[in-house]
Parts: sequence; structure tokens; C-alpha cells
Amino acid sequence: GAVVSQHPSRVICKSGTSVKIECRSLDFQATTMFWYRQFPKQSLMLMATSNEGSKATYEQGVEKDKFLINHASLTLSTLTVTSAHPEDSSFYICSAREPSGVYNEQFFGPGTRLTVL
Amino acid sequence: LAKTTQPISMDSYEGQEVNITCSHNNIATNDYITWYQQFPSQGPRFIIQGYKTKVTNEVASLFIPADRKSSTLSLPRVSLSDTAVYYCLVGVAARQLTFGSGTQLTVLP
Repeated sequence: GAVVSQHPSRVICKSGTSVKIECRSLDFQATTMFWYRQFPKQSLMLMATSNEGSKATYEQGVEKDKFLINHASLTLSTLTVTSAHPEDSSFYICSAREPSGVYNEQFFGPGTRLTVL
Repeated sequence: LAKTTQPISMDSYEGQEVNITCSHNNIATNDYITWYQQFPSQGPRFIIQGYKTKVTNEVASLFIPADRKSSTLSLPRVSLSDTAVYYCLVGVAARQLTFGSGTQLTVLP
């Protein structure tokens, strides 16, 4: 199946700094990518929909000025957590759909563990 | 977005068949039913997808009744490595998916 990668796999940063997470579709082009956040022992929560060449669409309650999303190409979307605080510590996961795939499914990246000290 | 309801947890023993049922009463005509598996600190992994009736692949079977208001994931002869959280999702991949609580399957020796 199609492969989605994320970088870095884990990051530790100090409170107040900004962190960028990359999501790449390795063998296909994705006009739309999705960003999720998962807290321990909880389900995935959709944060935003990333659209290539246009502004991201954020879910209710997600601060767009804090979680900056840039979908600059058909294979790359980035999520920047600005002025990170300990409550932003979480597991961030992206996904993308392979347009020509057999299945009507989304492929998920391996996730990025963010720890804010 | 269609909401799904699954059991929070299930236990099974190695070698047994496990059936996890998901209810999705307000599924839309265009919606597919997709099951994902997630291990701790990993992204969800696609298991199987169906629209109606029965679908089978090398790892699982998916049973969908005619009214499509529920679905059952069947895992044959589970092993310890099948211990994971299983999510049932309803929708179309081109749009955002809503994850429910998922089912924590624990396979015991």
C-alpha cells in the first residue's frame, strides 16, 4: 500500500519554542492530508484538513494561530506548533488518501511524539 | 459524519476467532466501512474495508448486513501480536474521518 512518513518521530522541546512536524506521501501525490492528535489512552482527534495550495480547514476548538499548517506541495504537509506548552504534549499523526488506490482508505503516518518540558 | 459505537475492550485467547461488532446507525449511502488497527505509539494501520455483504482478505473478514447499520470484524486464530486497539470508521477517504473510542483487544496466552 501507499506509504506516509513523518519527521521527526519524536521531539522534546522547551516551553515557548516552536516545533515543525513534516508529513510526506512517499509514492503518491496527495492533494489533501489530515492532521490528528492523540492523547494517552484516548482516540485520535482530527485537528485540521490540509489542502495543497490553499488554507487549511481547522476543527472547532483548534487554534489555527497555534497550529500552523502548510501544504506546499502534493507530497508534503507541515504542522508547526508555535509557542509550545506542556499541554501540547501529545502524539501527532497525519494521514493522506492515495487517489488512485483500490481502496477508499486513508494511509496514516507513523506519528510524532511531542514532549514539551 | 456517521458516529460509530464499539465495545471498549475485549479479551481473547490465542488461537481463537475474535469478532468485534460496530454499530453505525446513521451511515450515509456513499459511506464505506473501514477498520484500522493501532499499536501503542504507532499510526493506525488499514485492515479491511467494505461497502456491503462480506469482504475477506489475508488477515480478516468483514461482515456487513443488508441495512449496513452495523458491521463485524472477524479475526481468525488471533495471536499475542494481535493485541491492539481496533477502530471502526465510516465515511469516505477523501473527507475527514471521525474516530470513535475503538476496541482494545487483549489476546491472552
